[in-house]
Amino acid sequence: DAKTTQPPSMDCAEGRAANLPCNHSTISGNEYVYWYRQIHSQGPQYIIHGLKNNETNEMASLIITEDRKSSTLILPHATLRDTAVYYCIAIIQGAQKLVFGQGTRLTINP
Amino acid sequence: DGGITQSPKYLFRKEGQNVTLSCEQNLNHDAMYWYRQDPGQGLRLIYYSQIVNDFQKGDIAEGYSVSREKKESFPLTVTSAQKNPTAFYLCASRSSGSHHNEQFFGPGTRLTVL
Repeated sequence: DAKTTQPPSMDCAEGRAANLPCNHSTISGNEYVYWYRQIHSQGPQYIIHGLKNNETNEMASLIITEDRKSSTLILPHATLRDTAVYYCIAIIQGAQKLVFGQGTRLTINP
Repeated sequence: DGGITQSPKYLFRKEGQNVTLSCEQNLNHDAMYWYRQDPGQGLRLIYYSQIVNDFQKGDIAEGYSVSREKKESFPLTVTSAQKNPTAFYLCASRSSGSHHNEQFFGPGTRLTVL
């Protein structure tokens, strides 16, 4: 699995868009970018994933650069409940295990 | 409601005692996983099972044991051989029929060994 690099922490004002970057410069052609988040003392929750096209669902949008070396998770209107640690993972489909790094601790401020 | 349950949420044990953490799922998933999380760290894989009666070691299996006698259940035993057992333990499952890497996680058990 390709190594991913994320900033350790970020802050965002409530109601604004939260943009979380992830660097995966060694990603291979068959590796997808997955995002999970973990609210304090809970299990991680899947958010979104993509290969090369931008993706959007009810939770977030995922923007992947054309060279696929980096991506950005966008929470369009952040709320206090979005405060969590966000993990970016590069992995092939069907892999047996997920490798979680330290992620980005996102704090949404009122 | 479909999901994964782990019990109890908090568990205290004396040093030297074995303890078994429960994980049950009613999602009809074939694959189940156990992870350990230490404060401020990511998750590390302990054991995983792709089908009933089969399981594989993850990255930090030493001092742990598992069984998979039923599809719905994947209990984890923390043995006295585990040197630093105090941690947050998370169980997850995934439909192995899907290539999608979405794992569903339980609420976790926080184990404290005194």
